[in-house]
Amino acid sequence: KNQVEQSPQSLIILEGKNCTLQCNYTVSPFSNLRWYKQDTGRGPVSLTIMTFSENTKSNGRYTATLDADTKQSSLHITASQLSDSASYICVVTAPFGASGGSYIPTFGRGTSLIVHP
Amino acid sequence: DAGVTQSPTHLIKTRGQQVTLRCSPKSGHDTVSWYQQALGQGPQFIFQYYEEEERQRGNFPDRFSGHQFPNYSSELNVNALLLGDSALYLCASSDSGLGPTQYFGPGTRLLVL
Repeated sequence: KNQVEQSPQSLIILEGKNCTLQCNYTVSPFSNLRWYKQDTGRGPVSLTIMTFSENTKSNGRYTATLDADTKQSSLHITASQLSDSASYICVVTAPFGASGGSYIPTFGRGTSLIVHP
Repeated sequence: DAGVTQSPTHLIKTRGQQVTLRCSPKSGHDTVSWYQQALGQGPQFIFQYYEEEERQRGNFPDRFSGHQFPNYSSELNVNALLLGDSALYLCASSDSGLGPTQYFGPGTRLLVL
């Protein structure tokens, strides 16, 4: 069964500090891995997307890494800001059907990050 | 360029009723996926529509059905509502020609009493 596990479940840090969120997955075959930021009551917003051949991708203060061999990814947030308080969701997508076909995503439960002033 | 829009934003129903949620995809997108997100959980894939047909389906009962219109907009219908159907329902659109990058709408918050 395809699964995506995230840790920690929740995290509290002080403004300006760095943090790293973890994602382990069992999805196979693998198409891509994405990190989303979801504010409370809102839809998720994509931060990064990585394919099998990529091992790092940055988007401003967000840097995602991927180790496809160990099936692990991390999201590093640098110099955190109050607006970083949100849920961060790891999503791993497997291709489906001939020639890729449609893409079936498996979502993690997310890490809830709270940034305190 | 409007992103993904959903309506209504909030909805309250009672057990046994039926509900219809609506989604308009991002301009240029032809594929719509629906997700259910319970409080404190990650989104769960319900189904995906492409070319007005259900292309893929997650582990949801037949009470959950959908439709895609020629303009690519979509509806999610849930019959015989249960208390456990209370959740945030997210719609995501993508361009089938550009791969799996999905853009999410703001969601519809459904409360079943």
